[in-house]
Amino acid sequence: KAGVTQTPRYLIKTRGQQVTLSCSPISGHRSVSWYQQTPGQGLQFLFEYFSETQRNKGNFPGRFSGRQFSNSRSEMNVSTLELGDSALYLCASTDPGRMNTEAFFGQGTRLTVV
Amino acid sequence: GENVEQHPSTLSVQEGDSAVIKCTYSDSASNYFPWYKQELGKRPQLIIDIRSNVGEKKDQRIAVTLNKTAKHFSLHITETQPEDSAVYFCAASIGTNAGKSTFGDGTTLTVKP
Repeated sequence: KAGVTQTPRYLIKTRGQQVTLSCSPISGHRSVSWYQQTPGQGLQFLFEYFSETQRNKGNFPGRFSGRQFSNSRSEMNVSTLELGDSALYLCASTDPGRMNTEAFFGQGTRLTVV
Repeated sequence: GENVEQHPSTLSVQEGDSAVIKCTYSDSASNYFPWYKQELGKRPQLIIDIRSNVGEKKDQRIAVTLNKTAKHFSLHITETQPEDSAVYFCAASIGTNAGKSTFGDGTTLTVKP
């Protein structure tokens, strides 16, 4: 079974631009969650999508948005980029058919805003 | 919402010693507590988890304990080895919302040979 795939692996953007990150979950996993990881801040939950609907949302500004397609692939969009958005963005997929299940993480997209 | 606090933020031990990392959570509805290990430049990976109906779980050199009353859980690593050096994250979630986990800030464990 293929793992969680995130593209691209690295991105450099300028302040004010927007960016779209992609995540392909493990086959059969319908839940995709997004996290922001910064040094010293751990993993901050952004949002979770399940069956094309946003099911949970963290405490991030509206500049951060996402969506999920019918094949469970998910995209995350950040508009009007700020320097503080520089981080590693991780997505994780889970199997909602099982209660209390682990999250399988992708390798992440390293976003640098200059 | 849920809040997870993790201590210590850094931990240095000698090879062969034990390491203990502690986490507390705030939401009594949380019932799933996984621990993830993230090596430098790699993705977090699950190393052990515990559910709220269990007080302790062990897997070789790794064990996790859970105290539901006090709302805290701990990771114990015995006979540490240099390859145990990594960042460890605890997390808490509610079973019906497995896709939303609240993570601790992480513990950087360094095992000195």
